[in-house]
Amino acid sequence: NAGVTQTPKFQVLKTGQSMTLQCAQDMNHNSMYWYRQDPGMGLRLIYYSASEGTTDKGEVPNGYNVSRLNKREFSLRLESAAPSQTSVYFCASGTGAGYGYTFGSGTRLTVV
Amino acid sequence: DQQVKQNSPSLSVQEGRISILNCDYTNSMFDYFLWYKKYPAEGPTFLISISSIKDKNEDGRFTVFLNKSAKHLSLHIVPSQPGDSAVYFCAASGGMGGGYQKVTFGTGTKLQVIP
Repeated sequence: NAGVTQTPKFQVLKTGQSMTLQCAQDMNHNSMYWYRQDPGMGLRLIYYSASEGTTDKGEVPNGYNVSRLNKREFSLRLESAAPSQTSVYFCASGTGAGYGYTFGSGTRLTVV
Repeated sequence: DQQVKQNSPSLSVQEGRISILNCDYTNSMFDYFLWYKKYPAEGPTFLISISSIKDKNEDGRFTVFLNKSAKHLSLHIVPSQPGDSAVYFCAASGGMGGGYQKVTFGTGTKLQVIP
């Protein structure tokens, strides 16, 4: 099925461990995004990539890095996980204004 | 500084009646407003959008109204159905060109449609 695919769906990390969240889209979208969702906070932008080869910080980038590997793939890396990074992470892709994003189904990450 | 606010965390409506979800914003530079629907354990799904130059957009049972002077938008669902039970996020974007628009999300309103 066309859309945005995120892996893994669930992950438990110990404080200080690292991991990479993977995201791939097959809709030929130029822009890709990483959001986190926390209770009472809505969705907050971590990083985005307006096009292949470019990345930029969003609202809450600290503790994360990203790689736009090609047009399809946009990964999010936690170098040294902290309990404050316990959250649900969503990847999204999109085109122009007003058309909305297509979101993946999310990764539920717990850092203990 | 929350630029997009959804002040009602939850709303219950009888099946067949109208659901009205509200959203306020503070940034007058926003040029598109969007609504997303989210079921548990799934990603948000784009529902409907409206440009800042319009005051109404309709798509089937869903209508979004924009009142720029009040910096307020609302989503009307008529008639409400049990399958509409979900969390609804209001979002707003400010144009930056190049295909990317910084989208700011509200905190969501959980709608329950009672059969």
